[in-house]
Amino acid sequence: GAVVSQHPSWVICKSGTSVKIECRSLDFQATTMFWYRQFPKQSLMLMATSNEGSKATYEQGVEKDKFLINHASLTLSTLTVTSAHPEDSSFYICSAEGGRGYEQYFGPGTRLTVT
Amino acid sequence: DAKTTQPPSMDCAEGRAANLPCNHSTISGNEYVYWYRQIHSQGPQYIIHGLKNNETNEMASLIITEDRKSSTLILPHATLRDTAVYYCIVRVGRDDKIIFGKGTRLHILP
Repeated sequence: GAVVSQHPSWVICKSGTSVKIECRSLDFQATTMFWYRQFPKQSLMLMATSNEGSKATYEQGVEKDKFLINHASLTLSTLTVTSAHPEDSSFYICSAEGGRGYEQYFGPGTRLTVT
Repeated sequence: DAKTTQPPSMDCAEGRAANLPCNHSTISGNEYVYWYRQIHSQGPQYIIHGLKNNETNEMASLIITEDRKSSTLILPHATLRDTAVYYCIVRVGRDDKIIFGKGTRLHILP
Protein backbone atom coordinates (compact mmCIF):
# COMPACT_ATOMS: atom_id res chain seq x y z
CA GLY A 1 0.00 0.00 0.00
CA ALA A 2 0.81 3.73 0.08
CA VAL A 3 1.85 4.10 -3.54
CA VAL A 4 2.39 7.48 -5.14
CA SER A 5 2.67 7.85 -8.89
CA GLN A 6 3.82 10.70 -11.08
CA HIS A 7 3.10 11.41 -14.70
CA PRO A 8 4.96 11.85 -16.90
CA SER A 9 8.18 10.19 -15.76
CA TRP A 10 10.13 12.41 -18.11
CA VAL A 11 9.30 15.31 -20.39
CA ILE A 12 11.15 17.53 -22.82
CA CYS A 13 9.66 20.91 -23.65
CA LYS A 14 10.72 24.03 -25.48
CA SER A 15 11.65 27.23 -23.72
CA GLY A 16 8.63 29.44 -23.12
CA THR A 17 6.07 26.66 -23.00
CA SER A 18 4.28 25.28 -19.94
CA VAL A 19 4.33 21.73 -18.67
CA LYS A 20 2.06 20.00 -16.16
CA ILE A 21 3.19 17.22 -13.84
CA GLU A 22 0.64 15.04 -12.03
CA CYS A 23 1.05 13.41 -8.64
CA ARG A 24 -1.44 10.77 -7.54
CA SER A 25 -1.87 8.77 -4.38
CA LEU A 26 -3.10 5.44 -5.71
CA ASP A 27 -4.39 3.62 -2.65
CA PHE A 28 -4.91 6.24 0.00
CA GLN A 29 -6.28 9.71 0.43
CA ALA A 30 -3.62 12.36 0.81
CA THR A 31 -4.61 15.37 2.84
CA THR A 32 -1.28 17.01 2.15
CA MET A 33 1.07 16.78 -0.80
CA PHE A 34 4.53 18.23 -1.15
CA TRP A 35 6.57 19.19 -4.20
CA TYR A 36 10.36 19.01 -4.32
CA ARG A 37 12.98 19.87 -6.89
CA GLN A 38 16.37 18.20 -7.18
CA PHE A 39 19.28 19.36 -9.30
CA PRO A 40 22.05 16.92 -10.27
CA LYS A 41 24.23 15.82 -7.35
CA GLN A 42 22.21 17.93 -4.94
CA SER A 43 19.67 17.17 -2.27
CA LEU A 44 15.93 17.57 -2.56
CA MET A 45 14.64 21.09 -2.05
CA LEU A 46 11.10 21.58 -0.83
CA MET A 47 9.18 23.90 -3.14
CA ALA A 48 5.68 23.96 -1.71
CA THR A 49 3.08 22.28 0.44
CA SER A 50 -0.44 21.79 -0.83
CA ASN A 51 -3.57 20.87 1.06
CA GLU A 52 -6.67 19.65 -0.71
CA GLY A 53 -9.03 22.48 -1.50
CA SER A 54 -6.78 25.30 -0.39
CA LYS A 55 -3.96 27.37 -1.81
CA ALA A 56 -0.45 25.98 -1.71
CA THR A 57 2.17 27.32 0.68
CA TYR A 58 5.41 28.09 -1.11
CA GLU A 59 8.88 28.01 0.39
CA GLN A 60 10.92 31.17 0.38
CA GLY A 61 12.41 31.91 -3.01
CA VAL A 62 9.97 29.79 -4.99
CA GLU A 63 7.88 31.82 -7.44
CA LYS A 64 4.23 30.92 -6.98
CA ASP A 65 3.25 32.44 -10.33
CA LYS A 66 5.78 30.30 -12.12
CA PHE A 67 5.12 27.03 -10.33
CA LEU A 68 1.35 26.65 -10.18
CA ILE A 69 0.11 23.98 -7.81
CA ASN A 70 -3.42 22.64 -7.77
CA HIS A 71 -4.65 20.08 -5.25
CA ALA A 72 -8.21 19.57 -6.41
CA SER A 73 -8.86 16.19 -4.82
CA LEU A 74 -7.54 13.95 -2.08
CA THR A 75 -5.69 11.83 -4.61
CA LEU A 76 -4.36 14.31 -7.14
CA SER A 77 -2.05 17.30 -7.09
CA THR A 78 -0.58 18.98 -10.15
CA LEU A 79 2.47 21.17 -10.64
CA THR A 80 2.54 23.38 -13.71
CA VAL A 81 5.83 24.97 -14.69
CA THR A 82 4.85 28.05 -16.67
CA SER A 83 7.01 29.75 -19.27
CA ALA A 84 9.71 27.18 -18.73
CA HIS A 85 13.37 28.09 -19.14
CA PRO A 86 16.42 25.84 -19.40
CA GLU A 87 17.29 26.59 -15.77
CA ASP A 88 14.00 24.94 -14.77
CA SER A 89 15.38 21.65 -16.02
CA SER A 90 15.41 19.43 -12.95
CA PHE A 91 14.04 16.32 -11.26
CA TYR A 92 10.66 17.09 -9.73
CA ILE A 93 9.42 14.81 -6.96
CA CYS A 94 6.13 14.83 -5.11
CA SER A 95 5.20 13.23 -1.82
CA ALA A 96 1.86 12.55 -0.25
CA GLU A 97 0.94 12.27 3.38
CA GLY A 98 -1.75 9.91 4.49
CA GLY A 99 -2.35 6.21 4.55
CA ARG A 100 -2.16 3.98 7.57
CA GLY A 101 0.94 5.37 9.16
CA TYR A 102 0.52 8.97 8.03
CA GLU A 103 4.04 8.92 6.71
CA GLN A 104 5.16 10.81 3.65
CA TYR A 105 5.37 8.58 0.60
CA PHE A 106 7.32 9.78 -2.38
CA GLY A 107 6.60 9.48 -6.05
CA PRO A 108 9.19 8.19 -8.54
CA GLY A 109 9.95 11.67 -9.84
CA THR A 110 9.61 13.49 -13.16
CA ARG A 111 12.66 14.56 -15.10
CA LEU A 112 12.04 17.84 -16.92
CA THR A 113 14.35 19.03 -19.66
CA VAL A 114 13.75 22.45 -21.17
CA THR A 115 15.47 23.08 -24.49
CA ASP B 1 18.29 24.47 6.93
CA ALA B 2 18.68 20.82 7.82
CA LYS B 3 19.06 20.13 11.52
CA THR B 4 21.27 17.10 11.06
CA THR B 5 24.90 16.39 10.19
CA GLN B 6 25.98 13.26 8.32
CA PRO B 7 29.25 12.12 6.75
CA PRO B 8 29.16 12.75 3.00
CA SER B 9 30.05 9.19 2.05
CA MET B 10 30.74 5.74 3.45
CA ASP B 11 31.81 2.36 2.12
CA CYS B 12 30.61 -1.01 3.36
CA ALA B 13 31.44 -4.53 2.23
CA GLU B 14 28.57 -6.58 0.90
CA GLY B 15 27.12 -8.84 3.57
CA ARG B 16 28.44 -6.75 6.44
CA ALA B 17 26.44 -4.42 8.63
CA ALA B 18 26.33 -0.82 7.48
CA ASN B 19 26.28 1.69 10.33
CA LEU B 20 25.32 5.20 9.28
CA PRO B 21 25.76 7.93 11.90
CA CYS B 22 23.81 11.14 12.28
CA ASN B 23 24.24 14.08 14.62
CA HIS B 24 21.21 16.11 15.67
CA SER B 25 22.47 17.98 18.70
CA THR B 26 19.73 20.64 18.58
CA ILE B 27 16.84 18.19 18.45
CA SER B 28 13.78 19.23 20.44
CA GLY B 29 11.92 16.99 22.84
CA ASN B 30 8.99 16.54 20.48
CA GLU B 31 11.02 15.86 17.35
CA TYR B 32 11.36 12.43 15.84
CA VAL B 33 14.37 11.06 13.95
CA TYR B 34 13.47 9.79 10.49
CA TRP B 35 15.60 8.02 7.91
CA TYR B 36 14.94 7.96 4.20
CA ARG B 37 17.06 6.76 1.32
CA GLN B 38 17.19 7.67 -2.34
CA ILE B 39 18.41 5.26 -4.93
CA HIS B 40 19.74 6.96 -8.05
CA SER B 41 17.05 8.73 -10.11
CA GLN B 42 14.22 7.52 -7.89
CA GLY B 43 12.04 9.12 -5.24
CA PRO B 44 13.08 8.79 -1.59
CA GLN B 45 12.01 5.70 0.32
CA TYR B 46 11.00 5.71 3.98
CA ILE B 47 13.15 3.43 6.13
CA ILE B 48 12.41 3.93 9.81
CA HIS B 49 11.75 6.52 12.48
CA GLY B 50 11.95 6.82 16.26
CA LEU B 51 11.57 9.21 19.16
CA LYS B 52 13.84 7.95 21.92
CA ASN B 53 13.64 4.18 21.98
CA ASN B 54 15.56 1.98 19.61
CA GLU B 55 13.47 0.75 16.72
CA THR B 56 13.71 -2.18 14.33
CA ASN B 57 11.78 -3.16 11.23
CA GLU B 58 12.30 -5.42 8.27
CA MET B 59 14.67 -2.96 6.63
CA ALA B 60 16.86 -1.61 9.40
CA SER B 61 17.46 -0.79 13.04
CA LEU B 62 17.63 2.68 14.53
CA ILE B 63 19.73 3.33 17.60
CA ILE B 64 19.17 6.68 19.33
CA THR B 65 21.54 7.80 22.07
CA GLU B 66 20.10 8.46 25.50
CA ASP B 67 20.61 12.23 25.17
CA ARG B 68 19.01 12.01 21.68
CA LYS B 69 21.77 14.12 20.17
CA SER B 70 22.82 11.43 17.73
CA SER B 71 21.60 8.25 16.15
CA THR B 72 22.80 5.37 14.00
CA LEU B 73 20.96 3.59 11.23
CA ILE B 74 22.00 -0.04 10.91
CA LEU B 75 21.49 -2.12 7.79
CA PRO B 76 22.27 -5.57 9.19
CA HIS B 77 23.39 -7.34 6.00
CA ALA B 78 24.14 -4.82 3.28
CA THR B 79 23.60 -5.79 -0.34
CA LEU B 80 24.46 -4.03 -3.57
CA ARG B 81 20.84 -2.86 -3.75
CA ASP B 82 21.42 -0.80 -0.60
CA THR B 83 23.69 1.56 -2.55
CA ALA B 84 21.92 4.91 -2.15
CA VAL B 85 22.00 8.31 -0.46
CA TYR B 86 20.70 8.03 3.09
CA TYR B 87 19.04 11.02 4.71
CA CYS B 88 18.65 11.54 8.43
CA ILE B 89 15.87 14.01 9.22
CA VAL B 90 14.33 15.41 12.37
CA ARG B 91 10.73 16.52 12.33
CA VAL B 92 7.92 16.99 14.80
CA GLY B 93 5.83 14.29 13.28
CA ARG B 94 3.64 13.30 10.45
CA ASP B 95 2.30 16.79 9.82
CA ASP B 96 5.72 18.39 9.68
CA LYS B 97 7.43 19.07 6.38
CA ILE B 98 10.62 17.22 5.53
CA ILE B 99 13.77 19.28 5.02
CA PHE B 100 16.50 17.22 3.40
CA GLY B 101 20.16 17.76 4.18
CA LYS B 102 22.99 16.45 2.03
CA GLY B 103 22.79 12.89 3.32
CA THR B 104 25.37 10.11 3.25
CA ARG B 105 26.20 8.37 -0.01
CA LEU B 106 26.60 4.69 0.89
CA HIS B 107 28.67 2.54 -1.43
CA ILE B 108 28.35 -1.21 -1.03
CA LEU B 109 31.48 -2.95 -2.19
CA PRO B 110 31.22 -6.43 -3.73
